Amino acid sequence: DVKVTQSSRYLVKRTGEKVFLECVQDMDHENMFWYRQDPGLGLRLIYFSYDVKMKEKGDIPEGYSVSREKKERFSLILESASTNQTSMYLCATTSPRGVSYEQYFGPGTRLTVT
Amino acid sequence: SQQGEEDPQALSIQEGENATMNCSYKTSINNLQWYRQNSGRGLVHLILIRSNEREKHSGRLRVTLDTSKKSSSLLITASRAADTASYFCATDSNTGNQFYFGTGTSLTVIP
Repeated sequence: DVKVTQSSRYLVKRTGEKVFLECVQDMDHENMFWYRQDPGLGLRLIYFSYDVKMKEKGDIPEGYSVSREKKERFSLILESASTNQTSMYLCATTSPRGVSYEQYFGPGTRLTVT
Repeated sequence: SQQGEEDPQALSIQEGENATMNCSYKTSINNLQWYRQNSGRGLVHLILIRSNEREKHSGRLRVTLDTSKKSSSLLITASRAADTASYFCATDSNTGNQFYFGTGTSLTVIP
């Protein structure tokens, strides 16, 4: 089974702090994604990566950056956290070689910025 | 935005009843997927239907797709309390590398 893990389930940070959210997958998947989920807005794509050192902006990249130095690890960085970045952050992976293209999700990180 | 929309936003039914959720999307697709999310957790893939398919079954799940109307429905038959969760549809981009999720339907099954 694919396992996608995220570094923290709950995180509380102060405004202006630099925040790192890490995602690790163990299935050698090429594609990795970061979403944020807010009530009434569903899941919105922040960034995705289809290969090591490659990244593409999603729908809401402002205020975020990403890093993918190794295939199994995809990090989301909040350069200077703000209260409007309080949200649930979900990492997902998929393999374009797969038949179904289903996405495998991590458990999520609930980030609160105070 | 290519984000889809689920309807209704919330649904409450008695155990044993059927639950139907609908999804509408905006652009042409290759595949449409349905996911489930238990409260505070990540999403879990339920079923995928390809654009050339009209109906698909998996256990108590039945999914239909009408590409002319750009809509899909998820039917859960003989619902159980354990089916209580949020359900999301997701469509893919033309490249298949990006996915667009709807806003979700919150299903409550009352024992």
